[in-house]
Amino acid sequence: AQSVTQLDSQVPVFEEAPVELRCNYSSSVSVYLFWYVQYPNQGLQLLLKYLSGSTLVKGINGFEAEFNKSQTSFHLRKPSVHISDTAEYFCAVLTGNQFYFGTGTSLTVIP
Amino acid sequence: DTGVSQNPRHKITKRGQNVTFRCDPISEHNRLYWYRQTLGQGPEFLTYFQNEAQLEKSRLLSDRFSAERPKGSFSTLEIQRTEQGDSAMYLCASSPTGGLGQFFGPGTRLTVL
Repeated sequence: AQSVTQLDSQVPVFEEAPVELRCNYSSSVSVYLFWYVQYPNQGLQLLLKYLSGSTLVKGINGFEAEFNKSQTSFHLRKPSVHISDTAEYFCAVLTGNQFYFGTGTSLTVIP
Repeated sequence: DTGVSQNPRHKITKRGQNVTFRCDPISEHNRLYWYRQTLGQGPEFLTYFQNEAQLEKSRLLSDRFSAERPKGSFSTLEIQRTEQGDSAMYLCASSPTGGLGQFFGPGTRLTVL
């Protein structure tokens, strides 16, 4: 079975600083990769996805992620965070018609 | 269309009772998924439908869990004889066939006393 690892459970970062949220998965066979964001008391919202093609994908709110097949990673980055980016971020892998989610990273932006 | 909706948003029940949750997907989305999310964890896949057909249910947590989508539109998730360990957020998501990327509802938070 697929596993998705988000090594950092909590990431505090100052406003306007860059941030990277890490995601690794267990198998690179026919996977599609996603990042979701969950604001308090809300459902998950798709940030970006990698299906094929360019390994650097851009999403909403200024986020981007890079697919690295050799390292089976899909790290999420933003060059300058805003207070409104405070939320829970989930990495997900789609393989065999099933989605597998990581345990999430809580991003806290400090003023 | 306002997105995926779920009802109720919160449910408190006593152990041993049955509960049923409803999910209304985005119109014309053929696929519908159910997940469970516990505190500090990511969503855990339970089952999914392609129209009215339930294509994957092996990951339903036990035989107390069942889901239906009789007309290929809304879906219900039922938990029979609830246990305290069933307390969690139950999420529903939908996507068009072949669409890669799901749209999630706000979830139903279940508390079993």
